[in-house]
Amino acid sequence: EAGVAQSPRYKIIEKRQSVAFWCNPISGHATLYWYQQILGQGPKLLIQFQNNGVVDDSQLPKDRFSAERLKGVDSTLKIQPAKLEDSAVYLCASSFPGETQYFGPGTRLLVL
Amino acid sequence: GENVEQHPSTLSVQEGDSAVIKCTYSDSASNYFPWYKQELGKRPQLIIDIRSNVGEKKDQRIAVTLNKTAKHFSLHITETQPEDSAVYFCAASRGPGGNTGKLIFGQGTTLQVKP
Repeated sequence: EAGVAQSPRYKIIEKRQSVAFWCNPISGHATLYWYQQILGQGPKLLIQFQNNGVVDDSQLPKDRFSAERLKGVDSTLKIQPAKLEDSAVYLCASSFPGETQYFGPGTRLLVL
Repeated sequence: GENVEQHPSTLSVQEGDSAVIKCTYSDSASNYFPWYKQELGKRPQLIIDIRSNVGEKKDQRIAVTLNKTAKHFSLHITETQPEDSAVYFCAASRGPGGNTGKLIFGQGTTLQVKP
């Protein structure tokens, strides 16, 4: 089966600019997660969707980060405005509810 | 809050030796414990997982043990090979029927297997 797809793979922006990442989950997976992985650390959950509803966004910096999954399939994560500390890999994962999470290749973001 | 501590941060072994990585979790409601392997620049990939109703699980050279009373779990790799070199992450979640299935990850262990 096809895996989780993400784009772009790499992005370099200046601080205060905006950026958006896209994720297409494995077909049939109702649950979608966005994680932030800072270099040398484990992934940290930013937001979790169940279909098109938000289940957990407690660690999402809502003053600058937003995410949506309007039709319950693809999802977009946006940062506006970006800060230097947002430099990280943004991983999307999907699963059947409560089951094994499969990760996409990630988007590597560098904020200068 | 929810936390997973992972040790050691780096581990170097000779090819053929065993490697053990240990994790401790804080949320007593956690009942699902996966281990992911992440090669440089690549996505985390699930290598083995265990649920709280099982004390040990084995898959060829890889095994995971769980001690719910002490709230810790370990990854054991036997007969290590150079291709086992990677960063390994443990994680914990409340799993099916729990809150969200959100994974809380450890800090990672960089395993180096020397030929």
